[in-house]
Amino acid sequence: SQKIEQNSEALNIQEGKTATLTCNYTNYSPAYLQWYRQDPGRGPVFLLLIRENEKEKRKERLKVTFDTTLKQSLFHITASQPADSATYLCASLGGATNKLIFGTGTLLAVQP
Amino acid sequence: NAGVTQTPKFQVLKTGQSMTLQCAQDMNHEYMSWYRQDPGMGLRLIHYSVGAGITDQGEVPNGYNVSRSTTEDFPLRLLSAAPSQTSVYFCASSLSYNQPQHFGDGTRLSIL
Repeated sequence: SQKIEQNSEALNIQEGKTATLTCNYTNYSPAYLQWYRQDPGRGPVFLLLIRENEKEKRKERLKVTFDTTLKQSLFHITASQPADSATYLCASLGGATNKLIFGTGTLLAVQP
Repeated sequence: NAGVTQTPKFQVLKTGQSMTLQCAQDMNHEYMSWYRQDPGMGLRLIHYSVGAGITDQGEVPNGYNVSRSTTEDFPLRLLSAAPSQTSVYFCASSLSYNQPQHFGDGTRLSIL
């Protein structure tokens, strides 16, 4: 079955460092991947979308890459700040469907 | 800008009771969906709709009904609540299925 997976372990980093989160997919080839941020008690908020023909996308301190050979997307936050602490989710359409499926999310904690 | 509005924010039910979770959006979005979020399971798609009058099942549809009589509203019905349906429910909307999703802030539902 089609799966989209994220590291379920929390990522702890020091303020100012670059945080890198991973999203892997198996058994299908998504045309794009989306990344969301979710704060406690709130709904997810869209951050970035990257298409399969785009190797990299940037928005301010955020960068997303899409490697169709490794079946992986990486999400980078440079010069991280404590305010970046949240759960980050990746999502894509499940194969030849119009159903958007999500990974379980990775909790990022940026220590001051 | 209201965006996606979910009501109620919290609800406690007894096993066997029925209720409707409300979701409304004011962005004229065609695509709407319902997810449930449980610890360690991520967001799982329950039902979705690509436009008024059209609904389809997601990954975990059993025990839930939906209808889409207008573009703005997409209610989720629990006909006979079960403890396994204790969860946080999120409604989302977008222009179409392959566009970024806008989420509400969720309904926290406990079934005793």
